[in-house]
Amino acid sequence: GAVVSQHPSRVICKSGTSVKIECRSLDFQATTMFWYRQFPKQSLMLMATSNEGSKATYEQGVEKDKFLINHASLTLSTLTVTSAHPEDSSFYICSAPRDPTFGNTIYFGEGSWLTVV
Amino acid sequence: ELKVEQNPLFLSMQEGKNYTIYCNYSTTSDRLYWYRQDPGKSLESLFVLLSNGAVKQEGRLMASLDTKARLSTLHITAAVHDLSATYFCAVFQGAQKLVFGQGTRLTINP
Repeated sequence: GAVVSQHPSRVICKSGTSVKIECRSLDFQATTMFWYRQFPKQSLMLMATSNEGSKATYEQGVEKDKFLINHASLTLSTLTVTSAHPEDSSFYICSAPRDPTFGNTIYFGEGSWLTVV
Repeated sequence: ELKVEQNPLFLSMQEGKNYTIYCNYSTTSDRLYWYRQDPGKSLESLFVLLSNGAVKQEGRLMASLDTKARLSTLHITAAVHDLSATYFCAVFQGAQKLVFGQGTRLTINP
């Protein structure tokens, strides 16, 4: 079963509104989670690193005021796309690493398709 | 800045044939990952390679890592249609940041 769960899997929102995507680690604690964006037929681009109890670290070129990340607990990180526009339509994927005793595996959530109309 | 390059980017092959996907990276790293992605889906973890000379096999897929050459390979043996997918390698940069290759879109024809 899923180790990292994302919700919702698909969301359609109107331009100018905000949408929140949740990422949960199901059976382990994740002090760090990562948020990626993937456009069709392209690779994954890291948007930000989410750290439990502190501010997220954003990659260059990612607007921190537009993509709000909150990591309020050891099992939950949220990505809020504020004032969404059609160009924000994409596949958003979160991931969380397990500790070395689990072979350093990094698990990915199921992904969230965002369509802004 | 770490760069990860895969080749080929597109691969169309026949069932039963063998082929190799290559993953080169530009700076030293101690961890390399291979993932599979089916259309419209997220990533499925295939292999984690942690040391020079590491080799891991699962079914018809085998991955290896040469840290000196900064090269990893994903070898497909006797391909079957179910292996059609996009395959990504990803390398650790710094403490915990994963940098992905462009992906190799593999199509296996009957």
